[in-house]
Amino acid sequence: GENVEQHPSTLSVQEGDSAVIKCTYSDSASNYFPWYKQELGKRPQLIIDIRSNVGEKKDQRIAVTLNKTAKHFSLHITETQPEDSAVYFCAARKTSYDKVIFGPGTSLSVIP
Amino acid sequence: GAVVSQHPSRVICKSGTSVKIECRSLDFQATTMFWYRQFPKQSLMLMATSNEGSKATYEQGVEKDKFLINHASLTLSTLTVTSAHPEDSSFYICSANPRQGATDGYTFGSGTRLTVV
Repeated sequence: GENVEQHPSTLSVQEGDSAVIKCTYSDSASNYFPWYKQELGKRPQLIIDIRSNVGEKKDQRIAVTLNKTAKHFSLHITETQPEDSAVYFCAARKTSYDKVIFGPGTSLSVIP
Repeated sequence: GAVVSQHPSRVICKSGTSVKIECRSLDFQATTMFWYRQFPKQSLMLMATSNEGSKATYEQGVEKDKFLINHASLTLSTLTVTSAHPEDSSFYICSANPRQGATDGYTFGSGTRLTVV
């Protein structure tokens, strides 16, 4: 089955700097890659997603890139703010009816 | 937007008892829902896929007789933790795709914090 790896497990950045989180997946049939932000004790919130027919997608300070050949995808957060501090999960899914498999997560701390 | 309601949000139970967790899609129909478990500082691990009108599909290593899933309607799936033990203490969370057939992200319930004493 699908296996999603994620690095780094923890990341500390100064406010205003950029943060990059990288993920790899194993199943070449996966074609949808969402990113979730989870604050302590709360549900994961979808922040951005990318489909396999797209190489890059941007939404304000957040961007995601996908290299389907290498089975890599990355999350980029620019101009980080303290409220960006949370755990971020990458994930992969094959079809719209299929299960979402999560990476192990990255704990991001933005230092004011 | 699509809302998934999950109840209870917190529950404390004694070892050996059973606990039922409900997951409802409030403004859409969900033929499929997913149940995850999350231990502290860990990722969401898929337990099972709940299918309306048929048996759930369990992930490897998940005991189907211990974690009973019922998906009796298009808006309700339930997870029952039977004969709970302290090691079952965890955050249980459900999710559903509000647009079956579309490639949008799943919506999550608010989760249930289960503590077995």
